[in-house]
Amino acid sequence: SQQGEEDPQALSIQEGENATMNCSYKTSINNLQWYRQNSGRGLVHLILIRSNEREKHSGRLRVTLDTSKKSSSLLITASRAADTASYFCATLSGGSNYKLTFGKGTLLTVNP
Amino acid sequence: GAGVSQSPSNKVTEKGKDVELRCDPISGHTALYWYRQSLGQGLEFLIYFQGNSAPDKSGLPSDRFSAERTGGSVSTLTIQRTQQEDSAVYLCASTQLKGTGRYNEQFFGPGTRLTVL
Repeated sequence: SQQGEEDPQALSIQEGENATMNCSYKTSINNLQWYRQNSGRGLVHLILIRSNEREKHSGRLRVTLDTSKKSSSLLITASRAADTASYFCATLSGGSNYKLTFGKGTLLTVNP
Repeated sequence: GAGVSQSPSNKVTEKGKDVELRCDPISGHTALYWYRQSLGQGLEFLIYFQGNSAPDKSGLPSDRFSAERTGGSVSTLTIQRTQQEDSAVYLCASTQLKGTGRYNEQFFGPGTRLTVL
């Protein structure tokens, strides 16, 4: 079963705009991770936020985590056409030290 | 250093045939995962290997699916008597246990796209 559910399923924006994607999950977590997937192939890890953290930055990426609402958001600022990809959240649940559970992803299209 | 590699990149087979998919993890990574991704869907966990421990096979969808990891490195995923619903991208990932006792990021291979006719 899917732990994380991303919202929206698809997002289309213009280059230079910001993109926000949300993820909700159901059980307690150790950490939450965001991955990017280009063209339906391998995933690339973007950023990890631990359950005791509320916000994290990496370059143009900003991730927030609200454990009371069991939700996270990924903000990509000043988007570029190269950011076009599917973005997945994945949770390492509290009861496991190894099993990531992935959502269905958000397809982001950045138009030049 | 080299990343995770998988072969073949594409495989087309006829219903009822057996297929073997290969994964070469990053050197030194003790943990290896197989996932399946159907079109437009998220990743479905299949199996997890960690060192010499018994693998977690809880995600294998049927007894037609099996996987081995020889010598703690290369892994093969075998699907016997393939069915059309097995068509998907099969992804392999490896990682290393951190000092916290937990895993952080996983490193993915490019995947094998399996098409069963």
